[in-house]
Parts: sequence; structure tokens; C-alpha cells
Amino acid sequence: GQQVMQIPQYQHVQEGEDFTTYCNSSTTLSNIQWYKQRPGGHPVFLIQLVKSGEVKKQKRLTFQFGEAKKNSSLHITATQTTDVGTYFCAGPNDYKLSFGAGTTVTVRA
Amino acid sequence: GAGVSQTPSNKVTEKGKYVELRCDPISGHTALYWYRQSLGQGPEFLIYFQGTGAADDSGLPNDRFFAVRPEGSVSTLKIQRTERGDSAVYLCASSPAGSSYNEQFFGPGTRLTVL
Repeated sequence: GQQVMQIPQYQHVQEGEDFTTYCNSSTTLSNIQWYKQRPGGHPVFLIQLVKSGEVKKQKRLTFQFGEAKKNSSLHITATQTTDVGTYFCAGPNDYKLSFGAGTTVTVRA
Repeated sequence: GAGVSQTPSNKVTEKGKYVELRCDPISGHTALYWYRQSLGQGPEFLIYFQGTGAADDSGLPNDRFFAVRPEGSVSTLKIQRTERGDSAVYLCASSPAGSSYNEQFFGPGTRLTVL
């Protein structure tokens, strides 16, 4: 079945630094979605990418969908304490989502 | 407007007991999903409803797990003869329709602890 993998599992970042988290699917995806889960919270939708090579930005967050539509990345610039949480990518499998294990981000002030 | 709500927020039970977890989706959302999330993992799909019917229950781990959505809105996840391995956060999500392109709106979850 479809598998979605994310690396790294943990990302410890100094406030103000940039980092990137990566997502890879075992199958070609029609689209990919990213969710953020704050500590103690529930997943909240961030963005959806549909087109091959698509790049979308949300303030300091840049999301990219690979040309083959099997991988994606999330790049955060100038990390802030509000960026703390776990970032999940999810690929649709029929109508359900297959989630990666997430990248948990902690920030050193 | 109101988001997805789930009750109870926490449930502690003893091994072998029966539990029911409730999900109230966003009004008008026809698609409803149940996921299970263990510590350090992403949500794992359990079952998907389109309207009243279970369109995909392929994620239910065994026949101790069952879910209903009799009127196409509120859903109940039922777990019989609970085991310690069932301990997890059970998340419910809804979306306007069943589509691989729709974002899913998650509820706060029910944390189930089986002693």
C-alpha cells in the first residue's frame, strides 16, 4: 500500500535560523497536503499542492511539490517560537489520507 | 462557526470494557473520517463515512472496532473488549464531501487509556 515517509523526525532549530523538512511517497500523488499539530493539539490544515513542481508560500513557509509528484518539502525561514509543533505531510489514498510520521520542531530561543 | 467536536476528551477504562467515542462534524459536511494517533506517529486511518454509509472501513484493526453514523451527521466509534494496545488518541475529521482534494477538519480528539 501507499507509504509516506518524512525526514527528519526531529528538528531542533535556533530561533532565526532556516530549516527544511522532506516528505516522500511510495506512489505518485494526485496532490499532497500539509498539516501542523501544536503540542497537545490536533492537526490543522496548512496547504495543498496539486501541480507538478508547484511552489506555494505562506509568509515564512515555502511548500514545494516535486516534478514527479512523489515528494514534497516544507522550508521555514527565520524560525520563530510560534513554529513549534509537528508538521505532517499527507497523501490521498482514495478519499482517505496517508500521513507521514511527521517532523517535530523545537526552537531554541 | 463551530468546528468538529469530540466527546469525551479523555476516557480511562479497564481492559475488557466497552467504550464509545462520539464525533460531531461540521454542519453540512457529508464526509467523516476516524483516525487513530499513537505517540510520535501520524494519524492512522480507521474508517470513512460518506453520508450514513461506511464507504471504507479498511483501517479498522479487527472486529472489536465498529463505527456508525445513522443520520449522516454524528458518528460513534465503538470498541469492544478493549485491550491495552488500543490506548491512543482517536481523531475525527470531516470535509464538505468525499474527495481526495478536500482538506480535512480535525476535532480535538479523544485520548483513550486502557489500564
